Amino acid sequence: DAKTTQPPSMDCAEGRAANLPCNHSTISGNEYVYWYRQIHSQGPQYIIHGLKNNETNEMASLIITEDRKSSTLILPHATLRDTAVYYCIARSNDYKLSFGAGTTVTVRA
Amino acid sequence: GAVVSQHPSRVICKSGTSVKIECRSLDFQATTMFWYRQFPKQSLMLMATSNEGSKATYEQGVEKDKFLINHASLTLSTLTVTSAHPEDSSFYICSAGTGAADGYTFGSGTRLTVV
Repeated sequence: DAKTTQPPSMDCAEGRAANLPCNHSTISGNEYVYWYRQIHSQGPQYIIHGLKNNETNEMASLIITEDRKSSTLILPHATLRDTAVYYCIARSNDYKLSFGAGTTVTVRA
Repeated sequence: GAVVSQHPSRVICKSGTSVKIECRSLDFQATTMFWYRQFPKQSLMLMATSNEGSKATYEQGVEKDKFLINHASLTLSTLTVTSAHPEDSSFYICSAGTGAADGYTFGSGTRLTVV
């Protein structure tokens, strides 16, 4: 799987959009970009994934650059419950998910 | 949505004993399940991949004789930590999927403390 790079931490204000960047400059054509989050002492929660098109669901939006070397996860209206560690993962066809260090997001009131 | 149940959520055992952790897919059949370990303030580390009806594939550095994985049905995988020692104390998490290019569902984790 391609290596991903994320900032170690970021703060955002409650009610505002949170934009979480991820760099995956060595991603290959068949690797999907997945986003998960982990709230303290719980199992990771699936957020969204995409290959090359932008995706949106009830939780978030995923914007993937045209060259696929980076992506941004957007939480449209952050709440205190969105405080968590967010993981960006490039997954290939062997179906394994390898987690990096992630971004610790703290939503402040 | 897909639900993965992991049991027990917490377990304390004595050094030298074995502990079994169960991972069940409740409303779907999981052809593939994964086991992870997470130490405090660290990320998840993949331990092994189990496929129903075949032997598990272990990641480099993970002792297969110490961490026994059984995936006997499409809804159940078990991880047995044999002869547990304090350094095995960790948060163990399973995930399950159908093998398609959709998201995997994770269990809620098992906090193992070996005393």
